Amino acid sequence: TQLLEQSPQFLSIQEGENLTVYCNSSSVFSSLQWYRQEPGEGPVLLVTVVTGGEVKKLKRLTFQFGDARKDSSLHITAAQPGDTGLYLCAGVFTSGTYKYIFGTGTRLKVLA
Amino acid sequence: SQTIHQWPATLVQPVGSPLSLECTVEGTSNPNLYWYRQAAGRGLQLLFYSVGIGQISSEVPQNLSASRPQDRQFILSSKKLLLSDSGFYLCAWSGTGNTQYFGPGTRLTVL
Repeated sequence: TQLLEQSPQFLSIQEGENLTVYCNSSSVFSSLQWYRQEPGEGPVLLVTVVTGGEVKKLKRLTFQFGDARKDSSLHITAAQPGDTGLYLCAGVFTSGTYKYIFGTGTRLKVLA
Repeated sequence: SQTIHQWPATLVQPVGSPLSLECTVEGTSNPNLYWYRQAAGRGLQLLFYSVGIGQISSEVPQNLSASRPQDRQFILSSKKLLLSDSGFYLCAWSGTGNTQYFGPGTRLTVL
């Protein structure tokens, strides 16, 4: 059974602080995605990383894919209240079709 | 542009009652379709996925079933709901790329 563990599970920080969320697995993925989800809505894709060691930046968010394509991190610089939400990583397997294994989720709350 | 619809948005059902949740996609053809369940504030558990009409793959054995009677229609069903079936059910589609697009979800409460 493929499993993606995220840490921390919950995070409450003050506006302006930095944070890092980790996503770890024993499985090797074709690619890895990060989503953000608001309460009562479906997740929205933030980024897809494909190559081992790849780093992608999206404004104040930095995503890194591990060299072995088993893990990933999301770093937020100078967090803002608008960053509040549930962050999900998803490992992608490609065998005929795309199959997604979602992580356990990190709930972030940024206080003003 | 493509859109994905789910209904109903919320549902309260007694234990032992049947279930039917519907998902439809517009603006694309032959999509890959997925059903997920999400516990409160947690990750998504893949329940079923489909690569074409009548083709269903089950990821987790349970009292739920899925059907794809038309290219852009995906239905999640149960003959008898359990308390543990409560949760937030999300339908998603993907095309030739690896991006998934999620519907608005259905909040199911089994009492």
